[in-house]
Amino acid sequence: DAGVIQSPRHEVTEMGQEVTLRCKPISGHDYLFWYRQTMMRGLELLIYFNNNVPIDDSGMPEDRFSAKMPNASFSTLKIQPSEPRDSAVYFCASSIGTGLNEQFFGPGTRLTVL
Amino acid sequence: AQKVTQAQTEISVVEKEDVTLDCVYETRDTTYYLFWYKQPPSGELVFLIRRNSFDEQNEISGRYSWNFQKSTSSFNFTITASQVVDSAVYFCALMGNTGGFKTIFGAGTRLFVKA
Repeated sequence: DAGVIQSPRHEVTEMGQEVTLRCKPISGHDYLFWYRQTMMRGLELLIYFNNNVPIDDSGMPEDRFSAKMPNASFSTLKIQPSEPRDSAVYFCASSIGTGLNEQFFGPGTRLTVL
Repeated sequence: AQKVTQAQTEISVVEKEDVTLDCVYETRDTTYYLFWYKQPPSGELVFLIRRNSFDEQNEISGRYSWNFQKSTSSFNFTITASQVVDSAVYFCALMGNTGGFKTIFGAGTRLFVKA
């Protein structure tokens, strides 16, 4: 069975450009989480969804960040406009049943904003 | 506020040594969950264990064991007879019942196991 799929795996862009990160959760999982990992701040939860509905977006750093989940098999995290400090690895994770269960992480997207 | 502290930034051991990774947490929630995840060099995080606050039984899984002590707010992880493949960053994490399903991660401990 396929795990969580993220694309692209690497993204290099210039400051001011729009960036869209994509995630396909494991089929049947009803929770989806977006995380950001940096050396300075470690792993931070940005937002999570339950049954495609955003539940907690308190971790989204600024209005430049937005996330959507139009259906159970697809989510996007968008940064517009991007800034160098957004450079990080962005992980998507999914879980099933309750948010208490183990989260299955995707391979991450390494974003570099020049 | 919830907090997870992993005081050990890096640990280096020789293969076959036992190693313990420390995790101390803070929460005011009476019900909470603790996790350990492994992040190998490939980058993906891999779930290792979940423990709820009402279950203080220690757990052993192969060479891995976990010691949960509410009295000291600690949830330590021991690898027995370490192997090179254990080299990774290990994260301890906390989820409290009043924070929805928001997981707070520690800073991680990087473990190097040398052959």
